[in-house]
Amino acid sequence: KAGVTQTPRYLIKTRGQQVTLSCSPISGHRSVSWYQQTPGQGLQFLFEYFSETQRNKGNFPGRFSGRQFSNSRSEMNVSTLELGDSALYLCASSSEQVAGELFFGEGSRLTVL
Amino acid sequence: GQSLEQPSEVTAVEGAIVQINCTYQTSGFYGLSWYQQHDGGAPTFLSYNALDGLEETGRFSSFLSRSDSYGYLLLQELQMKDSASYFCAVDSGNTPLVFGKGTRLSVIA
Repeated sequence: KAGVTQTPRYLIKTRGQQVTLSCSPISGHRSVSWYQQTPGQGLQFLFEYFSETQRNKGNFPGRFSGRQFSNSRSEMNVSTLELGDSALYLCASSSEQVAGELFFGEGSRLTVL
Repeated sequence: GQSLEQPSEVTAVEGAIVQINCTYQTSGFYGLSWYQQHDGGAPTFLSYNALDGLEETGRFSSFLSRSDSYGYLLLQELQMKDSASYFCAVDSGNTPLVFGKGTRLSVIA
């Protein structure tokens, strides 16, 4: 079956703009998590959605938001972009039946100029 | 809070064995996962340990000691394609996986 799909793969924005990233999870997976990855910082958790409800939220400012639709697809939005938001944004889906295993997409690489 | 420590870089010779350690501090613990990420690629799941001991999957093995809050990933018969970043991650139940900062493994000839 198809893996996790993220769009767009690459994008360039300028400070102050906003961006929306999309994620389609593996069919049947109802949990979607978002992580920010920057060099040397590992994967920082942003938020997790399950059945259209935000289940967990990481320590990011309110400029970062997300949502999940009834078909489990998810979007995240970053408003008023800052240079420090340049990163790889990874989406992962998971099955409730398998502990500790996330299926990641290839990510959306955001560059803020 | 939760924190994980793993070495930032490791270099090993092709054909050799390498061990990547991970120590963690967490208020709740269900298990420890390991992920591999090649440059430009997505992290991919390698293993999950919920119980103490060694679990083997081909050339890769993962170990957990809950009493020591410690685990490691063991890679045998190293190949050039094993050059990648390796992340440990703590599963604390109904909270998201918390990842370490990753260990960059370089396999040299």
